[in-house]
Amino acid sequence: GNSVTQMEGPVTLSEEAFLTINCTYTATGYPSLFWYVQYPGEGLQLLLKATKADDKGSNKGFEATYRKETTSFHLEKGSVQVSDSAVYFCALSAIIVNSGGSNYKLTFGKGTLLTVNP
Amino acid sequence: EADIYQTPRYLVIGTGKKITLECSQTMGHDKMYWYQQDPGMELHLIHYSYGVNSTEKGDLSSESTVSRIRTEHFPLTLESARPSHTSQYLCASSHRDRVTGELFFGEGSRLTVL
Repeated sequence: GNSVTQMEGPVTLSEEAFLTINCTYTATGYPSLFWYVQYPGEGLQLLLKATKADDKGSNKGFEATYRKETTSFHLEKGSVQVSDSAVYFCALSAIIVNSGGSNYKLTFGKGTLLTVNP
Repeated sequence: EADIYQTPRYLVIGTGKKITLECSQTMGHDKMYWYQQDPGMELHLIHYSYGVNSTEKGDLSSESTVSRIRTEHFPLTLESARPSHTSQYLCASSHRDRVTGELFFGEGSRLTVL
C-alpha cells in the first residue's frame, strides 16, 4: 500500500535558520504530493503541492521538489520566522480502484512539530 | 479561503452523553471526510462520503456514526461518549473534479469526555 514517512520531530530552530523537513513516500503509479501546515488550535491548510516528477511547489517562502528517483518531497525554507511554528504534514494522493469505482485517497505522514524561537 | 465550518470548536461533556459534531461546507464539494487526530498529531481517517446518501468507514475503526443527507452537511454522532473518545476531530472536503485530491479542512472540534 501507499505510505509516507517524514522526519520525526520536534524540530526547534532559531529565527532566520534554514529549515529542512524530510519526506519520502512509497506508492504505485504517479501520486501527487502535498505539504499541509497546522497552526496551533487550527485545522490543516494546504501549504504547497506538486503533481508530477520534477515539479517544484512553493508558497510563503517554503519549497519542495517532487523527486521520483529518490521518492522524496523534502520541505525547505531558507529563513524561518517565529510565525512558522506549526505542525507540518507530508501527504500523497493516489487513485484507489475498488468495487465502488476509482477515487483519490490521501495518505498523511505522522507530522513534524516545528518550533521557531526568537 | 476554504469555506468549511465545524461546530462546536470545543466541547466538554460527561460520560454517557450523546453528542453531534457538525460540519458544513459551502463550496459544493461532493466528497467529505472525518479525521481523528490523536495527541501525537497523527491523523486517522474514520469516515468519508462521496456524495448524498453515501457513507463509508475509514482506516481507523470508530464508534461514531455519520450521515450525508445534504451535500453541504456531514455530521458525526457519538451515541454514548466515553473518555476514550477524547480527541480532536477534523472535517474536510474535496471536489470530484480536483484530480489531485487536495483537501480543504475545517478548524476542528476538540472533544473532552470526563
